[in-house]
Amino acid sequence: AQRVTQPEKLLSVFKGAPVELKCNYSYSGSPELFWYVQYSRQRLQLLLRHISRESIKGFTADLNKGETSFHLKKPFAQEEDSAMYYCALAREGAQKLVFGQGTRLTINP
Amino acid sequence: DGGITQSPKYLFRKEGQNVTLSCEQNLNHDAMYWYRQDPGQGLRLIYYSQIVNDFQKGDIAEGYSVSREKKESFPLTVTSAQKNPTAFYLCASSRGRQGGSTGELFFGEGSRLTVL
Repeated sequence: AQRVTQPEKLLSVFKGAPVELKCNYSYSGSPELFWYVQYSRQRLQLLLRHISRESIKGFTADLNKGETSFHLKKPFAQEEDSAMYYCALAREGAQKLVFGQGTRLTINP
Repeated sequence: DGGITQSPKYLFRKEGQNVTLSCEQNLNHDAMYWYRQDPGQGLRLIYYSQIVNDFQKGDIAEGYSVSREKKESFPLTVTSAQKNPTAFYLCASSRGRQGGSTGELFFGEGSRLTVL
């Protein structure tokens, strides 16, 4: 069965510093990978997906099939990036998502 | 205002009682989902439905039941058989697969169930 692992429950960085939230997955096929984000007092929402290959709010994520990873990166963190981040996987042809445990990111001023 | 509405936001239940959580969407989405969110465990899929009158078990379906009689509604019943029901429950919907890709999930605000 597919699995998503986010090794860091908590991550704290200073404003302006680079951020990397780690996500590793286990799945033998060709997955679709996503990052969802939940800001304080807001609903969980899609941040980005690997097939779009786009930067959202300065965040990027590259699917590395060799390392089975989909790490989320941002070169310069901002205070408004503080949130709970979830990595998620859909196996090919499926519509359901498997989520990781989540990482709470705190950006210190 | 389009979106997903979950009710109630907070619910208390005595042990041995069944309780039903409501989830309604007016986005005209085919697929709907129920996830359970526990600290340190992320979101775990309980049940999902890709079309009216059809649903499938997720990873932690034991002790739960659902129905999908209408496209816009996907209620979740937490039965007395669920051993640890105190949790935060999230409902979501999506258009389903489009262009060979998994559709974006749109989430409700959640329902917090506490068993006394």
